Amino acid sequence: DTGVSQDPRHKITKRGQNVTFRCDPISEHNRLYWYRQTLGQGPEFLTYFQNEAQLEKSRLLSDRFSAERPKGSFSTLEIQRTEQGDSAMYLCASGAHRTSTDTQYFGPGTRLTVL
Amino acid sequence: AQKVTQAQTEISVVEKEDVTLDCVYETRDTTYYLFWYKQPPSGELVFLIRRNSFDEQNEISGRYSWNFQKSTSSFNFTITASQVVDSAVYFCALSELTGANSKLTFGKGITLSVRP
Repeated sequence: DTGVSQDPRHKITKRGQNVTFRCDPISEHNRLYWYRQTLGQGPEFLTYFQNEAQLEKSRLLSDRFSAERPKGSFSTLEIQRTEQGDSAMYLCASGAHRTSTDTQYFGPGTRLTVL
Repeated sequence: AQKVTQAQTEISVVEKEDVTLDCVYETRDTTYYLFWYKQPPSGELVFLIRRNSFDEQNEISGRYSWNFQKSTSSFNFTITASQVVDSAVYFCALSELTGANSKLTFGKGITLSVRP
């Protein structure tokens, strides 16, 4: 059973550049989540997909952020015009909606540093 | 709004000591799920346990045990005979069943250091 994978693991960029992260969920999982974790804090919810539909976005997700899951499989998270405050670990999780809730399994994360 | 409080920020113990990590939650829902995750230095969150609000039975898995008490809104985690490999950040999380999104609300985490 292959777990959740994320690419790249680390990204260093200059302020104002655009970055894109990829998440590959566990293959049979139809739910996919993005979270952001800053130093010393727990992960915070950003957005959620069920299959290819983006069903919820957090207020944390400014208009510089966009996420897609075009075929209901992998997902991408793009940040445009990065700011230093975007520096964080971006975590992806997937789950299978078999009951009223699902256990979310996390990937290793992408650590973004904005200089 | 839902909230998870992990009042302890850092705990340091010597190997073989027992240690309890506290978690207190707030929710208006009667149906919800509670989770514990472990985040070792590598950074990946590892799922440990899921508990639903209707099941207050304590659970034991090897050296790990969990005590869920609805009366005090607590879901505490005990590691018996701690080992150096238990060193990590531990997060408690809550999921409410509102709509289709079972997003997690996390506490700030507890950094556990186990010294040899």
